[in-house]
Amino acid sequence: AQSVTQPDIHITVSEGASLELRCNYSYGATPYLFWYVQSPGQGLQLLLKYFSGDTLVQGIKGFEAEFKRSQSSFNLRKPSVHWSDAAEYFCAVARSGYNKLIFGAGTRLAVHP
Amino acid sequence: GAVVSQHPSWVICKSGTSVKIECRSLDFQATTMFWYRQFPKQSLMLMATSNEGSKATYEQGVEKDKFLINHASLTLSTLTVTSAHPEDSSFYICSAPQGNTEAFFGQGTRLTVV
Repeated sequence: AQSVTQPDIHITVSEGASLELRCNYSYGATPYLFWYVQSPGQGLQLLLKYFSGDTLVQGIKGFEAEFKRSQSSFNLRKPSVHWSDAAEYFCAVARSGYNKLIFGAGTRLAVHP
Repeated sequence: GAVVSQHPSWVICKSGTSVKIECRSLDFQATTMFWYRQFPKQSLMLMATSNEGSKATYEQGVEKDKFLINHASLTLSTLTVTSAHPEDSSFYICSAPQGNTEAFFGQGTRLTVV
């Protein structure tokens, strides 16, 4: 069965510092991978996705993620975090396209000034 | 860009009553929509797939008689929580895929059953 693991429940970084949020997935074939961000009490906004091709994916708000098949990982990175990046981040996997997303538990990001 | 509107944003109801939540795709048609449930500080769990013109398909463990789904048109899906109880209190979110390019999420509905 598909599953997604986000090992870090909560991360705190200083504004301007770099950020990496970890995501590992379990799936037999090449999955469709996503990162979403959720502000408190809000829906989800897509940051980026990987379907195929270049394994380094650029997203919105300065985020990027790298698909590493050998490690079954799809970690999210940002070189310099802004206070407005404080939110909950979810990694997700699907068998095909946007059919039935399976979400990780989420990582709550706090940003110190 | 495409927008999915969910209504209401929050609702408080008495135990034993039913609550209807609407999910609309505002500028695109969605033959399929998905309903998720999110408990506080937890992830989103897929509840069911709403199919326009046919029955919804429910994930294992989700009571179909409890959570009634109707996909009345290509732009509207409704989730009705029947005979709500406090344990049904949660954040419910719908999503609608636009082709195979992106899924758009509603803003969510916070349900509190008292």
